[in-house]
Amino acid sequence: DSGVTQTPKHLITATGQRVTLRCSPRSGDLSVYWYQQSLDQGLQFLIQYYNGEERAKGNILERFSAQQFPDLHSELNLSSLELGDSALYFCASSVGTNLAKNIQYFGAGTRLSVL
Amino acid sequence: SQQGEEDPQALSIQEGENATMNCSYKTSINNLQWYRQNSGRGLVHLILIRSNEREKHSGRLRVTLDTSKKSSSLLITASRAADTASYFCATEETGGGNKLTFGTGTQLKVEL
Repeated sequence: DSGVTQTPKHLITATGQRVTLRCSPRSGDLSVYWYQQSLDQGLQFLIQYYNGEERAKGNILERFSAQQFPDLHSELNLSSLELGDSALYFCASSVGTNLAKNIQYFGAGTRLSVL
Repeated sequence: SQQGEEDPQALSIQEGENATMNCSYKTSINNLQWYRQNSGRGLVHLILIRSNEREKHSGRLRVTLDTSKKSSSLLITASRAADTASYFCATEETGGGNKLTFGTGTQLKVEL
């Protein structure tokens, strides 16, 4: 058990809908990351938050947004869903921003199926 | 975008044999990490090697890093059926903050 909790485990929804994925980081971790894993794109970094502030942005669509709350949990909001958004969405957390040894701990993921 | 390629894409060996996976990347890095993923589940961190290190060991794992060739290898010795999983290398790029850029992965199958 990594200590990172993601809910829900599975989501099945229709095109055009909006969903929210939730992540609770490991106790004491200030950084939260979101990744998308799909068959055609592999594992892609979406966005990072550090202590409530956006720190880095990757290949995140404008239809997607995220935030980190004062209690450090994070939510990833996906809107106007398309079939191609079907994927595994992972949250990871790490202690901070030490570049030399920043180990990220991954949650079990949320499997999103857009029908 | 993917940082680089992993080779081989798939590897099937017998229990007790060694498994070697290679990873190539494209940019300057702070560190390179290896993760394991069991079918459709979360990624588990295995080992981290910093850009100024050449080799690192952890239990049955040995990682090498050649920054001049922008490549790394992961050796699993005396493999077990429980090692069956996908293995990914991930790089923390210099100037890229803490985000990880993952390779394409190697699917390892260890047969009894």
